[in-house]
Formats: sequence, C-alpha cells, structure tokens
Amino acid sequence: DVKVTQSSRYLVKRTGEKVFLECVQDMDHENMFWYRQDPGLGLRLIYFSYDVKMKEKGDIPEGYSVSREKKERFSLILESASTNQTSMYLCASRLAGDNEQFFGPGTRLTVL
Amino acid sequence: AQSVAQPEDQVNVAEGNPLTVKCTYSVSGNPYLFWYVQYPNRGLQFLLKYITGDNLVKGSYGFEAEFNKSQTSFHLKKPSALVSDSALYFCAVRDMFSGGYNKLIFGAGTRLAVHP
Repeated sequence: DVKVTQSSRYLVKRTGEKVFLECVQDMDHENMFWYRQDPGLGLRLIYFSYDVKMKEKGDIPEGYSVSREKKERFSLILESASTNQTSMYLCASRLAGDNEQFFGPGTRLTVL
Repeated sequence: AQSVAQPEDQVNVAEGNPLTVKCTYSVSGNPYLFWYVQYPNRGLQFLLKYITGDNLVKGSYGFEAEFNKSQTSFHLKKPSALVSDSALYFCAVRDMFSGGYNKLIFGAGTRLAVHP
C-alpha cells in the first residue's frame, strides 16, 4: 500500500513565524502535491513537484514556497505565517502519468 | 473555465436507504472524473474514477458512479447506506489544460450524514 505521511497532525504557530510542513511518501512516486482544504472551498492546489528539484506553482502559491531535495520528501514552507493561512494542509503523491493521487492524513495548522 | 460543482453542502440519508451525492462538471473534451472520501481527521481516500468505457463505474465500499455526458454529471451512488458512510465526499476532474501534469480540480465537497 502507498503510504504518505505528514510530520504533524496539529500545529499551532504565531504570526510571523517560519513554518515547515513535511511530507514523505514511500512508493517512489515522481509527482507530489500540496493542497489546502477550507470549508466550502474544497481543495486548492498550492504547489506541486513533478520530480526532484522541480516545482510548479498551483492556484494559490502566494505566501508559500516548497522544497524537493529528495524524491520521497516534499516540504511546504510558510515564510512568515499569517492568520489567513490557518487551514488544513494535505499532501499527495502520484506516479508520473497516472491519474490517482494518494493523500496523507493532513496537518491542521492554526496561526495565532 | 473548467470547474466541478457539488450543489449540496450536506446530504442526509437514513441507514438502509439509497444515497446519491451529486456532481456536475464543466471541461473541454472528454473528462477524467474522480470521487474521493474523507473520514473525520483523515486524509482523502480514492473511491473510484471514470476515464473511458462503461458509464457505470464501480468503486470501493460498495459505491458506484454514473457518468452522464449529456447532463455533464458524475453522481455518486450506493444502494443501501451505512452509518459508517458518513463522511465528506469530493468530486474531482482532471485539468485538461495541465498537460502531462494531470492536475485535479476539486469540488467544494458534500457532507454525507447517515442516520440510524
């Protein structure tokens, strides 16, 4: 079974802090994704990476950056956290050229 | 613009009754359609997909979905609901303009509540 893990289930940070969200997958998938999930808005794509050191902006990249130094790990960085970044963050991975994405359990981030 | 709509925020069903969660889409060309389910405090789990072929697609946990091209719909169905089916359901469509990236566009989600 594909396993996608995220470093924290719950995280509380203060405004202005730098925040790192980590995602690891164990199935050698080339593609990885970061989404945020907000009530009534569904999932919105922040960034994705189609291979190591490759990244593409999604629909809402502002205020975020990413890092993919190793194939199995995809990090989401909030350079200076703000209260409007309070959300559920979901990581996903996928085999290149495939359609199905596999999701991690999510990190619920609260920025105070 | 490409989009996915889930017109109901919440669907309430009695256990044992059939359930339907609605999804309509707007894309160019032939759509690739997906349903995912999210149980409380969990990530999304894949239920089923339509790429091509038979309009009735069978998936996990007894769910199925019917692709209707003329109505641009992909409704999720189950003949007999269980309390354990209570969850948040997302419909998604492949972004036809994302090239080889195969990005997904998600609907807002529908909360299914199955009552004993």
